[in-house]
Amino acid sequence: DVKVTQSSRYLVKRTGEKVFLECVQDMDHENMFWYRQDPGLGLRLIYFSYDVKMKEKGDIPEGYSVSREKKERFSLILESASTNQTSMYLCASSFVIGGEKLFFGSGTQLSVL
Amino acid sequence: TQLLEQSPQFLSIQEGENLTVYCNSSSVFSSLQWYRQEPGEGPVLLVTVVTGGEVKKLKRLTFQFGDARKDSSLHITAAQPGDTGLYLCAGDSGGGADGLTFGKGTHLIIQP
Repeated sequence: DVKVTQSSRYLVKRTGEKVFLECVQDMDHENMFWYRQDPGLGLRLIYFSYDVKMKEKGDIPEGYSVSREKKERFSLILESASTNQTSMYLCASSFVIGGEKLFFGSGTQLSVL
Repeated sequence: TQLLEQSPQFLSIQEGENLTVYCNSSSVFSSLQWYRQEPGEGPVLLVTVVTGGEVKKLKRLTFQFGDARKDSSLHITAAQPGDTGLYLCAGDSGGGADGLTFGKGTHLIIQP
């Protein structure tokens, strides 16, 4: 069974902390994505990567960075967490970009106090 | 920016009733996907529709892609409590690197 694993289900951090959200996929997929999901706003794309060491900004990249050192791992970094980054973060992967099935992790609910 | 409008935003009905959820846009999509998300989990793909006018059935769920490929609908017959969840539509513009555009979702609750 294919799997996208996010390292934490729940995280509580303080304003100003540096936060790392980790995502690992076991499907040898080329493409990986980070979304945030907020009530009334739906899923919004933060960053995506179509290859190792490659990254592209999504719709809302401000305040975030990403790292993809290995094909199976895609990390989302909040350099200095703020309260407006409290959200559900979803990682996804796909074999090709566009029209292909996205496989999602279970999500990380991040609270920034 | 392409937008996908889903309606209704919330729907609560009794077990056994039928329902339809809509996904509309002013833009043309090369394909459209429907996902279901259960509480505490990530979205899971239900179906992808590609051809204008296409109808796909998944047991009691019927998905339709509009002739102009700008809209889609999901019809559930004889809804069951297990159908409860957040239903998301996602359109692919065919531009490749931009990925999918998601609607805001329909929260569906089926009361036993």
